[in-house]
Amino acid sequence: QQPVQSPQAVILREGEDAVINCSSSKALYSVHWYRQKHGEAPVFLMILLKGGEQKGHDKISASFNEKKQQSSLYLTASQLSYSGTYFCGTAGSSNTGKLIFGQGTTLQVKP
Amino acid sequence: DADVTQTPRNRITKTGKRIMLECSQTKGHDRMYWYRQDPGLGLQLIYYSFDVKDINKGEISDGYSVSRQAQAKFSLSLESAIPNQTALYFCATSLGDRANGELFFGEGSRLTVL
Repeated sequence: QQPVQSPQAVILREGEDAVINCSSSKALYSVHWYRQKHGEAPVFLMILLKGGEQKGHDKISASFNEKKQQSSLYLTASQLSYSGTYFCGTAGSSNTGKLIFGQGTTLQVKP
Repeated sequence: DADVTQTPRNRITKTGKRIMLECSQTKGHDRMYWYRQDPGLGLQLIYYSFDVKDINKGEISDGYSVSRQAQAKFSLSLESAIPNQTALYFCATSLGDRANGELFFGEGSRLTVL
């Protein structure tokens, strides 16, 4: 039931782009994205809901393909501050207690 | 001051001891959660509460119990700690569901069980 994230890790140079994918075997109502820096708490990036509603960052974009039960997070023109571990969380209903997180994707941005 | 505060931030204890992790929030949110984080496993939900009288088990509730003392306070207890409960524990809150389902996390409580 845990969503699968890919890739597990990625290393970039500043200014490069990255895509992180999140795939579920179950029908999805919503996808959440969070970023966690080393030694810190996860921080909210975005929520994508079935039907197209979204809420989140100005500078980060994501897509949600309901039919394929997949979401992708797009990090463009990456900055050093983008480094961290990215988690997707998926839910089959509006109940946030049913949110299941993926194993994480570690992103390292180098100068 | 942090909106979601966890105490203690670090704790080392021995097998069999009872441990309580406390969480308090000033965000005024009804919904509170306890998550456990292990390296490479992401975040796993232990318990969640949508109001003072509502407590629900999450994915991995065995070996844990919780108490919602007030809207702002949600405590996690390990009645008899064991080494595989060594982990980083996060408390979180949210306003509601749908687009208001954003989770606000505390700074975490690192627990080591020897």
